[in-house]
Amino acid sequence: AQKVTQAQTEISVVEKEDVTLDCVYETRDTTYYLFWYKQPPSGELVFLIRRNSFDEQNEISGRYSWNFQKSTSSFNFTITASQVVDSAVYFCALSEGLGSGNTGKLIFGQGTTLQVKP
Amino acid sequence: ETGVTQSPTHLIKTRGQQVTLRCSSQSGHNTVSWYQQALGQGPQFIFQYYREEENGRGNFPPRFSGLQFPNYSSELNVNALELDDSALYLCASFGRTEAFFGQGTRLTVV
Repeated sequence: AQKVTQAQTEISVVEKEDVTLDCVYETRDTTYYLFWYKQPPSGELVFLIRRNSFDEQNEISGRYSWNFQKSTSSFNFTITASQVVDSAVYFCALSEGLGSGNTGKLIFGQGTTLQVKP
Repeated sequence: ETGVTQSPTHLIKTRGQQVTLRCSSQSGHNTVSWYQQALGQGPQFIFQYYREEENGRGNFPPRFSGLQFPNYSSELNVNALELDDSALYLCASFGRTEAFFGQGTRLTVV
């Protein structure tokens, strides 16, 4: 069965601290996608990254970085030098299968609420 | 700007009524899926459409149905509304390297 676990329900940090959000997934497929989304209070899910299971390279985008480790089935997300605007709920998600028409089903974790205090 | 828009943004319905939610996807995105997000929870997959055909469904009863149109728009229909249907409903549009969500429709059933 597919499952995504975000064990951290809430995290509170002070501005400029680094913070890592954990994501552990379960799947029987060898090909799959992993996603991270940010959901601010307005409710919209903001796309951050999509990574396919064949690409284990870590990725950095500005203050954001992602560490994908298939050996531990983890796809962790780090925010460097956090800012108040980073306060939101962050979701990790899994999609099984690759190819057109088969990637619309995302399995989401429960989300991690990040509060960045000034 | 995700290019995915949903309407309406908020809606209040009475138990037993029917509702239609609308989504306009990005041009060229042939896959659209719908999600229900209850307060404090992660989004739950309802179903997905690929080139106007339903090709995947989550654990939702048949009173949740949908349509996808050639112009990249889609609908979610819910019949016989129940109080537990109160939630944020999100549609998602899938391209080759990205998956964008709309801003959602917040449905309240009273």
